[in-house]
Parts: sequence; structure tokens; C-alpha cells
Amino acid sequence: GQSLEQPSEVTAVEGAIVQINCTYQTSGFYGLSWYQQHDGGAPTFLSYNGLDGLEETGRFSSFLSRSDSYGYLLLQELQMKDSASYFCAVRDQTGANNLFFGTGTRLTVIP
Amino acid sequence: EAQVTQNPRYLITVTGKKLTVTCSQNMNHEYMSWYRQDPGLGLRQIYYSMNVEVTDKGDVPEGYKVSRKEKRNFPLILESPSPNQTSLYFCASSPHSVALTGELFFGEGSRLTVL
Repeated sequence: GQSLEQPSEVTAVEGAIVQINCTYQTSGFYGLSWYQQHDGGAPTFLSYNGLDGLEETGRFSSFLSRSDSYGYLLLQELQMKDSASYFCAVRDQTGANNLFFGTGTRLTVIP
Repeated sequence: EAQVTQNPRYLITVTGKKLTVTCSQNMNHEYMSWYRQDPGLGLRQIYYSMNVEVTDKGDVPEGYKVSRKEKRNFPLILESPSPNQTSLYFCASSPHSVALTGELFFGEGSRLTVL
């Protein structure tokens, strides 16, 4: 089976940097994805890490350490519109064709 | 416009009355999946399909059926809905299995209430 742990809530100030952590336990591992979901909206894909290291896409970066079973999403230059829920999701050996989602981190950006 | 379309977006029904939530994608994606989202539980997979006539159970398949007769459509069927199936449902698709990129394209969601 799989389990994912991420903080339930994070609050940060506009313009600041915030890091959302995700630790996982899986039987085999292929990759870690991150999704954003605004209230009332659909999840949208942000990034995927199949290998160790940092992936950067604009203000968002995602990091993976396979040896530590750990990853994080880094949001820089926070904007009010970044207030949303963020989900990590794993692709693992048992469900290689599927994504197993964490319970999400609600990010609130304050002025 | 590339999209995943679900219908209905909102539905209130009663226990035991069969219903179908449709899902259609116009991106020629092979892989399609259904998730339900409940507060505090994140997104849980119900069923998925690797291609036409190929479907398999996800983590919470009880009380649901699916079919994949055409590549673009993947309806979710609740034969006898019960109140514990009150949830927000998302259909998603991917060009291949999510094995390659970890990326899913989601529909806008269908909020179902079973009384």
C-alpha cells in the first residue's frame, strides 16, 4: 500500500517563500507529482519528479529525495492567487498506472 | 479546446435511484480515471481504464460501475446510490498511463448529493 503525509494547513505572507513537504511510504516508487486546487475548482498539474533533485517551473519548484522518501513544493514570490490546496501524489509499483493522492495542504496567503 | 467534460455538474438524488455521471475527453487520451474527493480524505481513486474495454478497480470501487466502450467516454454508474456516496467526483485523463509523466487532466467535477 501507500501512505502520504503532508501538513494540513500553511499560512504565508504575500511576497514570501513557502515550502510544502510531503513524505511517502510505498512498496516501490516511480515518481512524485504535485497538484494545485482552488476552492470549487479542479486539480491542476504543477510538476512531476521521477528522479532526485529540483525541478523548476517559474515561481514553483519541486524537489525529490528518493533515499529519504521525501519531497517538497517550493512557491516563491507568493501571490494572493496562490491561496489554494496543494496535493502530492505518488506513482508506485503496486499502482504503476495510477496516482495515489495525499490529503492536501491548504495554503493561505495573507497580505 | 482540449478538455475533460463531466455531466451533470450538480445533482441531488435519492437513495436507490440509479444514476450515471458522464465523462468525455477530446484529447484522444488512452487513460481515464474517476476519483472522489471528501473533506480531509483527499482524492481517492474509484476506477480507471487503460484503454477501450480495459477497466480496473481503484481504491474505493464499492457501489460503482464503469464502462469504456469508446476511447473518449468513461461514464461512472451508481446502480443504487446511498448517502455515503455523497461526494465531489472528478474524472481525469492522461495520454498514456500516468506512468510516464505523473500528469492527469481533470474535469471540473460533479457534486453529488444522495438523500
